[in-house]
This record gives sequence, C-alpha cells and structure tokens, in this order.
Amino acid sequence: GENVEQHPSTLSVQEGDSAVIKCTYSDSASNYFPWYKQELGKRPQLIIDIRSNVGEKKDQRIAVTLNKTAKHFSLHITETQPEDSAVYFCAASKGGAQKLVFGQGTRLTINP
Amino acid sequence: SAVISQKPSRDICQRGTSLTIQCQVDSQVTMMFWYRQQPGQSLTLIATANQGSEATYESGFVIDKFPISRPNLTFSTLTVSNMSPEDSSIYLCSVVLTGALFFGSGTQLSVL
Repeated sequence: GENVEQHPSTLSVQEGDSAVIKCTYSDSASNYFPWYKQELGKRPQLIIDIRSNVGEKKDQRIAVTLNKTAKHFSLHITETQPEDSAVYFCAASKGGAQKLVFGQGTRLTINP
Repeated sequence: SAVISQKPSRDICQRGTSLTIQCQVDSQVTMMFWYRQQPGQSLTLIATANQGSEATYESGFVIDKFPISRPNLTFSTLTVSNMSPEDSSIYLCSVVLTGALFFGSGTQLSVL
C-alpha cells in the first residue's frame, strides 16, 4: 500500500522567512495530494491540495509543488506569521480524497 | 464546507467498557470515514462507512473492536469496544465534499 514520508518533523523559522515541508510517496498511482494544518486541540483543516495533472498550485502565501517523476511534493509558506505555527500534515491518495494516507506531520514554529 | 459535528467531544472511560461516538453531517454524503489520531501522532484511517452496507475496515482494524453504524446519509456512529489504555486517541469522522476531505470536530478519548 501507499506510504508517505514527511520531513522535517520539526521546523523553526523566523517570522517573515519562508518555510518548506517535503513529502515523498511510494505509490505511483497516487493522484491527489492535500495538505492539512492542525492547531493545538483542533481538527485538521485543509489548506491546499494538488492533483497529479498539475505541477504547482498557489494560494496567497501558500504553494504546493508536485514532482510525479520523483514522487515527492512540497508545501511552501512565504512571509511566515505567528499564526502559521501549527502541525502540518501531507497526505496522498489514488482515489481522490477518499482513503488518504497521511505523513507523520511537521511541527512548525514561527519565532517573532 | 459542511458542518460536521461529533458527540461527545471528550470522554474519560474505564478499561473494558465501550464508548459510542456519534457523527452528524448537515448534508447528505455517500461515504463517511473514521480516522484515529493517537497522541502526538498522525491520522490513520479506521474504516469507511457506507449507507446501506457493511463498513469497510483498513488493515489492523476489525469490526468486533470498532463496530460502525450508518443508518442514513447524514449520520454514523463508531463504537470503541472493550477499551484499553492503548485506545486513548482522538477519533475523527470525515466526509468528502467538493472533492476534498473535511473532518469533524473530533472526540478525545482517554482510557484509564
């Protein structure tokens, strides 16, 4: 089955700098790659997703890139703000948004 | 996105007992998904609940331990049976809407 590896497990950046989180997946049939943000004590919230027919997608300060050949995808957050501090999860699926396989998570801390 | 509510939001239970978690969605959905998030860990799919048929369980999860009901298109329950401290987790129901997965408010379970 699918396996998703996420790095780094923790990331600390200065406010205003950029943050990058990377994930690799094992199943070349996977075609949907969402990213979730989970604040302490809250449910995971979808922040951006990308499908395999697209190489990059951007939404304001957040972007995701996908390299199907290498089977990896990355989350980029620019101009980081304290409210970006949270745990971020990547996921992959070959059935659309059904049966997502999640990475291990990255705890992002933005230092003021 | 839909409103996905769960009850209870948290509970503390004694080992050997069972707890039933309810999930209510404010729109009709074909499938509902139950995830488990162990303390400080990622999200793992337990099972997929379809209305009118038996739930489909992922590897490592069995119906005797996690029976699921799906009586209609807006409601599902997950029971955690014969609980042990290892069952202490956050349990999340989720649904796919507009091609993305959205999570319920979560149930934090502690087993003593």
